[in-house]
Amino acid sequence: QQQVKQSPQSLIVQKGGISIINCAYENTAFDYFPWYQQFPGKGPALLIAIRPDVSEKKEGRFTISFNKSAKQFSLHIMDSQPGDSATYFCAASFPAGNNRKLIWGLGTSLAVNP
Amino acid sequence: GAGVSQSPSNKVTEKGKDVELRCDPISGHTALYWYRQSLGQGLEFLIYFQGNSAPDKSGLPSDRFSAERTGGSVSTLTIQRTQQEDSAVYLCASRLGRSQETQYFGPGTRLLVL
Repeated sequence: QQQVKQSPQSLIVQKGGISIINCAYENTAFDYFPWYQQFPGKGPALLIAIRPDVSEKKEGRFTISFNKSAKQFSLHIMDSQPGDSATYFCAASFPAGNNRKLIWGLGTSLAVNP
Repeated sequence: GAGVSQSPSNKVTEKGKDVELRCDPISGHTALYWYRQSLGQGLEFLIYFQGNSAPDKSGLPSDRFSAERTGGSVSTLTIQRTQQEDSAVYLCASRLGRSQETQYFGPGTRLLVL
């Protein structure tokens, strides 16, 4: 089954706290795992992505942790800010002919309180 | 601008009418995707174009939905005989080519069927 399960559905964090969003997958053919950030009224935008040959990738306050054996990956937002309030989608991608199929999680609505 | 653009940004129509949604991808991007996003939901894949051909139409929900792409650039998503359940945000994304994973999204067209 080509599913990506994301949790929690919603998250409230205080300013300065750590936001953690988790995703799990089944298909071992996935070879690229992006996180997208979506603000209200906008399209999703790539935030950070990881390949399964590394266990962690950090870009500024955003870190992806990847556990290949458990088929899980997570997004950590350090020092969360009100401007981080958005919906976050994890996804997993695999090659499909000339295409790269992208399977999406259902999203996490993050609210960072001032 | 260098991003993906979509028009109209909002569309209100009456049940039974036909609508056309337009997507202008990033120049040079050969792959183009249409997604549907219902309120508070994840992204539902509709169709994928590589150049002007659509090798994956598996996400189109019914034969009322069709899409075309001309000149390897602009794409139009047409919904015939709209129904209230078609109300959603329709997102377009483009990707540079086969070796590049990142999809770049437009701001979406918000469709409301009364």
